Order: sequence, then C-alpha cells, then structure tokens
Amino acid sequence: EVQLLESGGGLVQPGGSLRLSCVGSGFNLGSYAMSWVRQAPGKGLEWVSVISGNGGNTLYADSVKGRFTISRDNSKNTLFLQMNSLRAEDTAVFYCARQKQWLKAVDYWGQGTLVTVSS
Amino acid sequence: SALTQPPSASGSPGQSVTISCTGTSSDVGGYNYVSWYQQHPGKAPKLVIYEVNKRPSGVPDRFSGSKSDNTASLTVSGLQAEDEADYYCSSYAGSNNLCVFGTGTKVTVL
Repeated sequence: EVQLLESGGGLVQPGGSLRLSCVGSGFNLGSYAMSWVRQAPGKGLEWVSVISGNGGNTLYADSVKGRFTISRDNSKNTLFLQMNSLRAEDTAVFYCARQKQWLKAVDYWGQGTLVTVSS
Repeated sequence: SALTQPPSASGSPGQSVTISCTGTSSDVGGYNYVSWYQQHPGKAPKLVIYEVNKRPSGVPDRFSGSKSDNTASLTVSGLQAEDEADYYCSSYAGSNNLCVFGTGTKVTVL
C-alpha cells in the first residue's frame, strides 16, 4: 500500500525556518516526481514546488522562490522542503504529493502537516 | 493564475451536477492533462479524474470528465451524500511551469 507521511510542521515566528519531511512507503520514491502542495486555512490548493525523480529538475511557485528549497533522498525514500524567511502568509497545511508523471496528476497525497507562522 | 471554477454547485440525491473549470490556451486548452480532485473537510485531496476523462481504479463511474476548448468539466451523476465535498481542477501548463489549480467548487447534496 502506498503511503506518504509528512512531519516537521509546527509554530514558527516570522522570519524563521522550518524543514518538512515526507517519508514514502509501499513504492520506490525515486521513480516518481514529487511535489509539495499547500492549503491556507479556508482557502484553495496551491502548488508550492516539484522535483523530478532523480532530483535534477525543480520548479517553485513565485510566492516561495528564493525562500524554499525542495530536495529528496531516494535512498531513504524521503522528500524534503526547507522553508526559510517564513511569512504569516505561508501559514497552511502542507501536503506531500506523488505525481504519476512530471507535472501531471497527483495519484497519492499525504495527510498533511500544519505550518503556522505567527509571533 | 488560478483556473476559474464556480464557488458552489448543488443537486439532490440521484441527480447530476456539473462543475466547470475555465483556463486558457496555455493550460486547459493546450493539453489533455486536466485532473480533478475531491476533498472532504479536514482530509487530503483525492484524485477522481486525470487526463481529462480517465478514472483511477476505485473511483465510481458516476464521475466523468470532459473538455471543450479552454474549459474542462466534471460531472457527478447519481449524486450521493458522500459526494458532498470540495472539488478542484488542475491543469498541466507546460514543461517549465508548475501545474495550476482551480479556485475550487463546494458541492452540496441537498
């Protein structure tokens, strides 16, 4: 059974940093493009970043470019999102997502981890 | 920018509801890579349609998708109480661009 389990969320002050992790099980993470998608409270879904299976290609939303870094360790079946210079508007549930192909549909989602940026 | 969906849609049990998703020739109209996701409150999204009209294994055939020009549509036939949820479309937007989501539609089963 395919499962994605995020961790690392929590309360952080504006300007602070946080590192999210997503461990995949039941499949070979290295065979898939992986994404982070977020959802602010009461709002819609927003694609944050995507990384190719071998980590060679990455894309970022303009809203996080230069502040967030996506990476992966395929040997540990783990996806990461390093978030720096956090702002109040980054407050959201962050979902780890597996894509069927590069930039195509997400076929599996994690349960999400809440990031709250507040003083 | 985000694809445009109606904020809400509704129908009685057994009826059908259709949700539209309007983009541009750079996303919806340019490719056959539109997906639809169902999200119940407090839960992660779930894929119900991919590549415009394909259903993942386990998704009832009550869910169907189509596309015409820059607008994609999701139809839920034979509405059931468990279909009450938020629905989001998403489209491929080129190999060097992140996919784009729709604004979301809340479906209510009356």
